Amino acid sequence: AQKVTQAQTEISVVEKEDVTLDCVYETRDTTYYLFWYKQPPSGELVFLIRRNSFDEQNEISGRYSWNFQKSTSSFNFTITASQVVDSAVYFCALSEAQGGSEKLVFGKGTKLTVNP
Amino acid sequence: DGGITQSPKYLFRKEGQNVTLSCEQNLNHDAMYWYRQDPGQGLRLIYYSQIVNDFQKGDIAEGYSVSREKKESFPLTVTSAQKNPTAFYLCASSQTAARDTQYFGPGTRLTVL
Repeated sequence: AQKVTQAQTEISVVEKEDVTLDCVYETRDTTYYLFWYKQPPSGELVFLIRRNSFDEQNEISGRYSWNFQKSTSSFNFTITASQVVDSAVYFCALSEAQGGSEKLVFGKGTKLTVNP
Repeated sequence: DGGITQSPKYLFRKEGQNVTLSCEQNLNHDAMYWYRQDPGQGLRLIYYSQIVNDFQKGDIAEGYSVSREKKESFPLTVTSAQKNPTAFYLCASSQTAARDTQYFGPGTRLTVL
C-alpha cells in the first residue's frame, strides 16, 4: 500500500526565513506521481506541482523549489524568503495505480505559520 | 471562468437526516472525486468517478452515496447511516485518472447538530 508521511505537523518561522517541508513516500510501483498542494485558511486546495517518478530534476518556481530524491523516497518543498501569505497547510500526495484504478493518497499535512 | 463550484459553503443538518452536497465543474474533465477532511488530518477519498454513469468507492464510502448522470456534476449524499458526518468536504476533478492533476473546489463544511 502506498503511504505518504509528513513528519512535521506544524512549523513556525519569521518572515524572510527559508523553510523546508518534508515529504517521504512509500510505493512499490516504478511509475508514480507526486504532488504538493497548499491549503490556505479559506479551505480550498491550491495545486503547486506535479512530478512523475522518472523526472528527478529539481524544480524552482519563484520562491518555491522542490527536491525529489528517489534514493530516499523524498519529495521536499522549500520556500525561500518566506512571507506571511505563505501561511497555510501544505499537503504532499502520491498517485499510483492499484489494481487498475488510480488513487491519490495524501499526507496529513504540515501547517506553516509565517510571523511578521 | 473555468473551475469547480461547491454549494453550499456551510451546511447544518439534524441527526437522522440525509443531505446532498453539490459539485459542478466546467473544466470538461472526465474524472471527479469527493474527499473528506477532518481537523488535523489529510484528505480521505470517499467516492470517485472516471466517466459518466460510473463511480467507485474510495476508502471511506460507508454512509455516503453519489451519482454521475452528467459529466459536469457529481453530487454527494451524506446519509443518516454515516455515524460521524461533521467534516469538511472537498470535491475535485481531473482530466482523466488520478495521475492527472486534481483541481479542487472551495469545499463545504457540514455540521451535524
